[in-house]
Formats: sequence, structure tokens, C-alpha cells
Amino acid sequence: GESVGLHLPTLSVQEGDNSIINCAYSNSASDYFIWYKQESGKGPQFIIDIRSNMDKRQGQRVTVLLNKTVKHLSLQIAATQPGDSAVYFCAETLDSGYSTLTFGKGTMLLVSP
Amino acid sequence: DVKVTQSSRYLVKRTGEKVFLECVQDMDHENMFWYRQDPGLGLRLIYFSYDVKMKEKGDIPEGYSVSREKKERFSLILESASTNQTSMYLCASSLSGAGYTDTQYFGPGTRLTVL
Repeated sequence: GESVGLHLPTLSVQEGDNSIINCAYSNSASDYFIWYKQESGKGPQFIIDIRSNMDKRQGQRVTVLLNKTVKHLSLQIAATQPGDSAVYFCAETLDSGYSTLTFGKGTMLLVSP
Repeated sequence: DVKVTQSSRYLVKRTGEKVFLECVQDMDHENMFWYRQDPGLGLRLIYFSYDVKMKEKGDIPEGYSVSREKKERFSLILESASTNQTSMYLCASSLSGAGYTDTQYFGPGTRLTVL
């Protein structure tokens, strides 16, 4: 909601720039990862996911990179638009079918026209 | 598209009241989840359910209970609301995979204020 963005790291970019949002995950055994976008006052929205048998996956204007060696995940947004302004957070889990997600705290992306 | 709906967007209740938050999903998902989201604390799992009549405690179940009588509906109950339960409550659902985890899809959230 409107208070989700408090206390979060913020990335400010200009419209048209490429944005990179980073996530350090906690469990070296995690092998399924998801990026969510949350706009003010709304529930999280699925953006893209990746399993550990891949190190890169592309969607529409978004790319997720996974580096398991250093437990790092990144979300790249190409040609960022004002509508991309939101809180972005990653989630990790074990790809076993009965695991719960562990969520990162999130990064607020602010896109200026 | 997956649709997860929650019964109220905003709710105001008084301390001591019994509160019901309803969640319905229309994609025949086996798994359903209740989270609360607070500034600085992120999303925290309250309860989840892998099947009808089944429930599992999450990270912060104290003060809450749940009910899943039908596959598409998962209710969160605050037996006696307290001010520290003022929060954004989010419901999610996912498919149950045979040996894999599927994405969770979220509802729009219910902002609950307990006075």
C-alpha cells in the first residue's frame, strides 16, 4: 500500500533509461526465484521467474539474471517508463512443491518523465 | 489470467471484535496463503493451506486462525482484534506441482485498521 515504500532503498531513473534492481538472497539451497512488482495500494504482481537450471531469462522488457555462486539475483528493466514506478521485490524458495516463499524487503523504483 | 479477490479493500474494526477476511481464487489452485505486510518488515506468512480442510502455520500465526472449507476460498480470522494487527493483509494462491513450486498470485489486499 502507500506505506510499503517506507524504509526501502530507492532507485531513481529517468524515463527511457535501463534500470537494474538487485537482490541478495539468503538460502544457498534455494532454486526457484520470482520477481514481483507492487504499486501503491495494490497487491504484488508477478513479473518473471527463474529456476536454478538457468542463469538468465527474458520477458517483455524485463530480464532476470541469477548468480548462484554469490547468491545474487537481478531484474533489468529496459526503457523504463513512469508506469514502472513501484516497489520491486524478489522471492526465493526450494523448488520442491511444498515450500513457502521467502521475500526480500524490496526496492522502490522511481521513474521521472 | 489468475484472479484472486479479497472481500474488502479497507476495513475498520474495534479492539476485541472478531474479524473475517475472505479470499477467493478462480483458477482451481490447491495452495492458498495469507500474509501481512508492514513497513520495514516486508511480507510475513501467517497461515497457508495445501488442500481443503488443511492448514499449516506460517511464521506469525499467533492471534489468527484460518478456515478452508472449499478449494477456492480461504478465510483469515482474527478472533479478538488488537491494535497491533493493523496491517495490510494479502492473500495468494498457487498451483500444487509434483516436485516443483509454482508462482504465487496475489489478491489486491485488505487494509485493516483496528481502533
